[in-house]
Formats: sequence, structure tokens, C-alpha cells
Amino acid sequence: QVQLQESGPGLVKPSETLSLNCIVSGDSISSYYWTWIRQPPGKGLEWIGYIYNSESTNYNPSLKSRVTISVDTSKMQFSLKVNSVTAADTAVYYCARAQYDHAFDIWGQGTMVTVSS
Amino acid sequence: QSALTQPASVSGSPGQSITISCTGTSSDVGTYNLVSWYQQHPGKAPKLMIYEVNKRPSGFSNRFSASKSGNRASLTISGLQAEDEADYYCCSYAGNSLWVFGGGTKLTVL
Repeated sequence: QVQLQESGPGLVKPSETLSLNCIVSGDSISSYYWTWIRQPPGKGLEWIGYIYNSESTNYNPSLKSRVTISVDTSKMQFSLKVNSVTAADTAVYYCARAQYDHAFDIWGQGTMVTVSS
Repeated sequence: QSALTQPASVSGSPGQSITISCTGTSSDVGTYNLVSWYQQHPGKAPKLMIYEVNKRPSGFSNRFSASKSGNRASLTISGLQAEDEADYYCCSYAGNSLWVFGGGTKLTVL
């Protein structure tokens, strides 16, 4: 049974870098779209980006200049970095998996990140 | 890349049927049969309920069905039950390795 688990600081200061990890268990970390999605408090879901086959990435155009997604296959985890954060980056961050059908079939439980001084 | 349009809220009584619409453009919903729907209960992660427009993952109730016509996708829930009260999100592949979500619809079971 595939499981995803996010981890990282719950509080980040404005202008600093938000860093999160997602540990993958129960499956290979190759051959899927390993994705980050976020949800600001009381709002809807926003697709952030993915890493595929450990090397190909793509990002939401609205975040592209500040976001990096990478993978560490030896640790079975993929990571998200968001630079120069502001209060607008406060959200629950989810990691998720998508397959060939482009649907997100496995989700982590989510981790709340607050941007505040 | 704009968010897909969903009604903010819908409601229905137990046993009734409701439909949630999801309107996109010819660049996403209208071109790709890669529309998915997610159910999210308060404080929980979203859960996949429909993929490739109208397919249900194994174990998901057949009270949930979905379709697409042109730039508009729809989710229908029949025989409403109290546990169906949740937020529902549509999502579409938008080409160029991009995805877009709808703004979400809150379903209230009266």
C-alpha cells in the first residue's frame, strides 16, 4: 500500500525559503508524477508542480520563478522549495502521486505551513 | 492558466440527486479527457473519486457519476447521504504538463 508523508517546518519567516519533504513508502519513486499541491486556509486547491522520472519537472506558471521540486531516490523522498515566501504562501501543503491517467490517486495527510515573523 | 469554475455551494436533501458543474476552456476540459474529481471532508486530505472524466476507482460508490460535454464537466451524486457532505473539487490536465483545479464546491446535505 503506497503511502506519502510530508514533513518540514510549520513556521517560516517572510522572505525566507519554505522547504518540505515527502517520503514515499510502498512503491518505487520512479515513473510517476510526484506532485505538490497547496490549499490556503478556507480556500481551494492549487497545483504547484511535479517531478517525473526523477528528472523532468514542471511548475505552475504563477509560482515558477520561486519553486523547485527535486527527488532523492536513495531516501525515497521528493522535496519542495519555495523562495521569498510571503503571507500568501501560508497553506496546507500536500504531496500527491499522479499516474498515466493524470489523476492524483494517492495523497499525503498534508502539512500546515504558516508564513509569519 | 485560470482556475476551473465551480459553483461555490450546492445543497440537497437525503435521497435526492445533485449535480456539480465544472467549467473550463478549450485548452483544458474541452481538449483532454483527463478530468478528475476529489472529495474533501473537513481537516482531511482530498480523495480521488473520479478519473478520466467518468471512471471510478475501485471501492468508490456507484452513487457518484460524472460526464463531460464540451468545456464543461459534471459530477452527479445520487441518493444523497449525510456522509456526502464535503467539499468537491474538479481538476483537469491543461496541456504542456500543467494541471488546473476548480475553486471547489461545498455540498450541504439538508
